[in-house]
Amino acid sequence: SQTIHQWPATLVQPVGSPLSLECTVEGTSNPNLYWYRQAAGRGLQLLFYSVGIGQISSEVPQNLSASRPQDRQFILSSKKLLLSDSGFYLCAWTRPPVNEQFFGPGTRLTVL
Amino acid sequence: DQQVKQNSPSLSVQEGRISILNCDYTNSMFDYFLWYKKYPAEGPTFLISISSIKDKNEDGRFTVFLNKSAKHLSLHIVPSQPGDSAVYFCAANTGGFKTIFGAGTRLFVKA
Repeated sequence: SQTIHQWPATLVQPVGSPLSLECTVEGTSNPNLYWYRQAAGRGLQLLFYSVGIGQISSEVPQNLSASRPQDRQFILSSKKLLLSDSGFYLCAWTRPPVNEQFFGPGTRLTVL
Repeated sequence: DQQVKQNSPSLSVQEGRISILNCDYTNSMFDYFLWYKKYPAEGPTFLISISSIKDKNEDGRFTVFLNKSAKHLSLHIVPSQPGDSAVYFCAANTGGFKTIFGAGTRLFVKA
């Protein structure tokens, strides 16, 4: 069966500090991978998606970036965090043809 | 541009009764519609989907209805249980890489 891992579970960072969130998927190969953010009281905002190693599509221009160094690894990064980067970050993979998304447990990021 | 809208931010239902969660969409090209359930501090979990060529899909206590002419879908939970209390997201995709999510509806099931 497939599982998706995210870490860390919670993170408190000062404004201007760097960020690295990691996501790995087990039990499937060549998955489509996604990063979402859920701000407090809001829906899910798609940040990045990837259809393969080194292939990243950005949905929202911002100070975040994503990388996919391995087939089942997806990383979300920032060089300098902003207060507005606070939120709940979710990694997901999809299964065709319906493309239902399977989410990781999430990372709660608080930028102070 | 909100292609998927959930206009009710919250809904309260008595245990054992029916919960009806509603969703409207604007893009007639969507192929699949999906419902997800989310507990606090956890990732959403996939509940049920429906293809655009169908008007009903049922899975246990959960049934999704699709009305394409009205661009409306709904999720029915019968009977509702306290453990169903969560945020429910409606979503849609064109069978491609991107899924559009609604803002969510928080369901409270009272014992």
